[in-house]
Amino acid sequence: ESVLTQSPGTLSLSAGETATLFCRAGQSVSSSNLAWYQQKPGQAPRLLIYAASTRATGIPDRFSGSGSGPDFTLTIGRLEPEDSAVYYCQYYGGSPPLTFGGGTKVEI
Amino acid sequence: QVQLQESGPGLVKPSETLSLTCTVSGASISSDYWSWIRQSAGRGLEWIGRIYPSGSASFNPSLKSRVTMSVDTSKNQFSLKMSSVTAADTAVYYCAREGLGRFYDWGQGTLVTVSS
Repeated sequence: ESVLTQSPGTLSLSAGETATLFCRAGQSVSSSNLAWYQQKPGQAPRLLIYAASTRATGIPDRFSGSGSGPDFTLTIGRLEPEDSAVYYCQYYGGSPPLTFGGGTKVEI
Repeated sequence: QVQLQESGPGLVKPSETLSLTCTVSGASISSDYWSWIRQSAGRGLEWIGRIYPSGSASFNPSLKSRVTMSVDTSKNQFSLKMSSVTAADTAVYYCAREGLGRFYDWGQGTLVTVSS
């Protein structure tokens, strides 16, 4: 089973700082199939990054992804209050074929 | 701009069948893949399954025995049915447009509560 472990559980930072979020896959994974999402309260998740490092349309360059299996990183630079959200990694492949991590809550 | 909207009963009795529909605008249901995802405090985000333009579908193995999906191209809609629901199926259900295993567009979500 594909398991994605995210850390830390919660990240409390100040505006202007940099957030570094981690996602570890429980098995060998392809970076082509790793995505990151942002979810604000009461909203659906929003795609931020796909293929580990490619920003989705309209996503500011403050958001960047990196890494290769099994360790991936989402970095949010120059934090803004609007970046307060839960961030999820997601993998496509393996069994089940689509898996989400447990999320990291970022508090600004 | 692609928009998705879930609809269906917000309350389902245990052992009954949950039925939801997703109406798509701004894109043709005959292209891309279309998925259902749910979110609960206990299970987090859980992919339920996807339906292809052909009408065939694939499912999360953990739910496969209880789930069916269908597509109505004339209405640009796709649907989810989940049978024999229990309280563990209480969640916010999202429909989403999928491409290469990632979800580009999501509906706003609909809360389904399983309770007698």
